[in-house]
Amino acid sequence: QKEVEQNSGPLSVPEGAIASLNCTYSDRGSQSFFWYRQYSGKSPELIMFIYSNGDKEDGRFTAQLNKASQYVSLLIRDSQPSDSATYLCAVMFSGGYNKLIFGAGTRLAVHP
Amino acid sequence: DAGVIQSPRHEVTEMGQEVTLRCKPISGHDYLFWYRQTMMRGLELLIYFNNNVPIDDSGMPEDRFSAKMPNASFSTLKIQPSEPRDSAVYFCASSLGTGGPQHFGDGTRLSIL
Repeated sequence: QKEVEQNSGPLSVPEGAIASLNCTYSDRGSQSFFWYRQYSGKSPELIMFIYSNGDKEDGRFTAQLNKASQYVSLLIRDSQPSDSATYLCAVMFSGGYNKLIFGAGTRLAVHP
Repeated sequence: DAGVIQSPRHEVTEMGQEVTLRCKPISGHDYLFWYRQTMMRGLELLIYFNNNVPIDDSGMPEDRFSAKMPNASFSTLKIQPSEPRDSAVYFCASSLGTGGPQHFGDGTRLSIL
């Protein structure tokens, strides 16, 4: 059974702090990893994707991948109230032919 | 550029009726995905297509569900007959190439009474 695990939260952080969202996955052969943001009542919006071990930065967002530990994370620097949303981790498992398995999502609340 | 376009945005119908959801993928994308999202089960993949051919329909819940992609710019998801437990938000997504990120449409909120 291929699984993607996320803490459901809510993760509450003060405005301006770093929010750290974590995700683990079960298939060691997985190659592609994605983070989506979903506001209440809206569709998932792609934030970041990462294919290689290490860090990938895009503005206030950093994705971190550790394939040996089967762990991927998303850091949001200088968190803003507008970042309050559910963050979905998605993994493309080996042999999955572009099929994504989504975690249940972590709800982030940034308070002023 | 136009994103993934879904219609209708909302659908309310009575149990037993046929429901048809429509999707237009991003132009040039060769993969199309249908998902269902509920509070209980999260985001679930129902079926996906590559170059208009269904690749994996293992997520389709039962024979009441069917999907087609007659050409590169159009797909339908049909439920017949519909049941109250089919109430959910249905998303269509498309992507380009192997491993490409998926881009989602705005979804169809379906309520079966």
